[in-house]
Amino acid sequence: NAGVMQNPRHLVRRRGQEARLRCSPMKGHSHVYWYRQLPEEGLKFMVYLQKENIIDESGMPKERFSAEFPKEGPSILRIQQVVRGDSAAYFCASSPPGQAYEQYFGPGTRLTVT
Amino acid sequence: LAKTTQPISMDSYEGQEVNITCSHNNIATNDYITWYQQFPSQGPRFIIQGYKTKVTNEVASLFIPADRKSSTLSLPRVSLSDTAVYYCLVGDPFSGGYNKLIFGAGTRLAVHP
Repeated sequence: NAGVMQNPRHLVRRRGQEARLRCSPMKGHSHVYWYRQLPEEGLKFMVYLQKENIIDESGMPKERFSAEFPKEGPSILRIQQVVRGDSAAYFCASSPPGQAYEQYFGPGTRLTVT
Repeated sequence: LAKTTQPISMDSYEGQEVNITCSHNNIATNDYITWYQQFPSQGPRFIIQGYKTKVTNEVASLFIPADRKSSTLSLPRVSLSDTAVYYCLVGDPFSGGYNKLIFGAGTRLAVHP
């Protein structure tokens, strides 16, 4: 059973470009969380999604950031018009229904904005 | 969610037992205590979770006193591969059907030969 998959592992974008981060949850998991981690800091919650629904996006910046988890395919975190401050590691986690306390994290995508 | 306080860093040597204490004075009745481990360039990994008294699994033990205002993660006989950041989290995992994890800065454990 493959773990949570994220791609790309490293992404370099110039200021103003768009970044698309993908996350495939573990098989059987229908809940996806996105977190952001700045250097030397803990992870910060961004958004929680279920298939085709955004349940909680309270941690996501109101502008330029969006997330989706379509019926088919991976969850996507999209950052438009990236700025240097968006440089961070973005982690996706998934959990099975009814076991939200134990989240399985992917390896992360390290975004560098130049 | 209850705020947690834990040491910024700790040092240990191979073969020793390591105890990392976390304070959570404002823990609520429905809150559980969960510990995650994070290696460099990797996502966090669930270690253990408990509500009260003692919980033990193949990786660690978690000690929670009766007042639940603190907890201690115990790692028996650490090895170099236990060098990581350890996060203590407190929250109600069943509230709203999902669990928005709140990470602090964690404790950086360095295990030396």
